[in-house]
Amino acid sequence: QVTLKESGPVVVKPTETLTLTCTVSGFSLSDARMGVSWIRQPPGKALEWLARIFSNDEKSYSTSLKRSLTISKDTSKSQVVLTLTNVDPVDTATYFCARIRRGTGMTSGYYYSYYYMDVWGKGTTVTVSS
Amino acid sequence: QSVLTQPPSASGTPGQRITISCSGSSSSIGTYTVNWYQQVPGTAPKLLIYNNDQRPSGVPDRFSGSKSGTSASLAISGLQSDDEGDYYCATWDDSLSGWVFGGGTKLTVL
Repeated sequence: QVTLKESGPVVVKPTETLTLTCTVSGFSLSDARMGVSWIRQPPGKALEWLARIFSNDEKSYSTSLKRSLTISKDTSKSQVVLTLTNVDPVDTATYFCARIRRGTGMTSGYYYSYYYMDVWGKGTTVTVSS
Repeated sequence: QSVLTQPPSASGTPGQRITISCSGSSSSIGTYTVNWYQQVPGTAPKLLIYNNDQRPSGVPDRFSGSKSGTSASLAISGLQSDDEGDYYCATWDDSLSGWVFGGGTKLTVL
């Protein structure tokens, strides 16, 4: 059974660094077909993608938050860590991690890759307040 | 404002069929496959559709997805009360070099 679990502080002060950990089970972070993403959702608002990392350590970040975000993984611990520096009250949100799966399809005679986030953690709520 | 545009709300009566649209651009839906998620308030999103029209194991065939050009749609037939929740479309966007989500559609079963 595949599970992901987010952990981190409940409250963070403005300008501090937020560090979140996603602990996975049921799959390996070294599996070339998979990766992990972080997504957040401010109260009452839509989902916002933050970052992703794959087994080969390939990383991508939200353009709007790229300067503040760092994603890393520890395969031996089955953990993916996200740090967000210089937090602000607008960073108050529920933070989710999700497994990314890669598939291969075919259309009009050629192959293509597609990606989707199939299993999500329950999320961890973070409040930025002094 | 989200890169993918969805109607903020949708509604239907039990047994009815409804569709939710998701409009993007050539750098997003026009190039990449679309996924759909259902989120009941207070819980994590659940994958409903991936690769435009594929259902994960366990998702009823009442849910179907389609894509044409720079738009995608989610259809729900035989509407049930527990279909209520928020629905999000998602895809990759080349111009942002990242995943993008729609603004979400709140479905109400009357």
